[in-house]
Amino acid sequence: RKEVEQDPGPFNVPEGATVAFNCTYSNSASQSFFWYRQDCRKEPKLLMSVYSSGNEDGRFTAQLNRASQYISLLIRDSKLSDSATYLCVVNPAYSGAGSYQLTFGKGTKLSVIP
Amino acid sequence: IAGITQAPTSQILAAGRRMTLRCTQDMRHNAMYWYRQDLGLGLRLIHYSNTAGTTGKGEVPDGYSVSRANTDDFPLTLASAVPSQTSVYFCASSNLGTDYNEQFFGPGTRLTVL
Repeated sequence: RKEVEQDPGPFNVPEGATVAFNCTYSNSASQSFFWYRQDCRKEPKLLMSVYSSGNEDGRFTAQLNRASQYISLLIRDSKLSDSATYLCVVNPAYSGAGSYQLTFGKGTKLSVIP
Repeated sequence: IAGITQAPTSQILAAGRRMTLRCTQDMRHNAMYWYRQDLGLGLRLIHYSNTAGTTGKGEVPDGYSVSRANTDDFPLTLASAVPSQTSVYFCASSNLGTDYNEQFFGPGTRLTVL
């Protein structure tokens, strides 16, 4: 099982639609979780950290299910500007070498269509 | 400057040449990272540094070296470039010691090795 797995998509949705992405991770000891957004030919940018109780930021809702080892991202009322690749990112655990290395999924591509 | 800067933005390099990619951050983050991103493979960690004066190897360190003489700068050197090092290189930084270790990325360097 890959460390962090995402459906690569693409997800093509109309403006105003609700879309959900799921991500699974293999290391049950993982400490923290994030969603990053990456626009074409740009750097990844932090969208949300994912808290144990779930969290919401405007139209975006992130959920964590530790028992099933998956993270989700829900986008409501999709905008054209939401078109991007969404990266699921996991901090596996303290590595013992003093490094909190992140593991990145390969990303899910979203296209919001007028 | 604000955040992370990388130089050059892009570079075409002959195989066998030496090249240093520069990265500077002004956020006083203790940790810095170098990633490469290739189509279909996602982001892969090359080297990291938890604090000035220390470095460590990531997932794909071969052919690359780094140094961390001070908090702000984290150059990546390709001693003798090969075509397989054609990629987009991202530098990132984070503040270790926080609960979530969010990483923030520079704009990237597009390197082509011919």
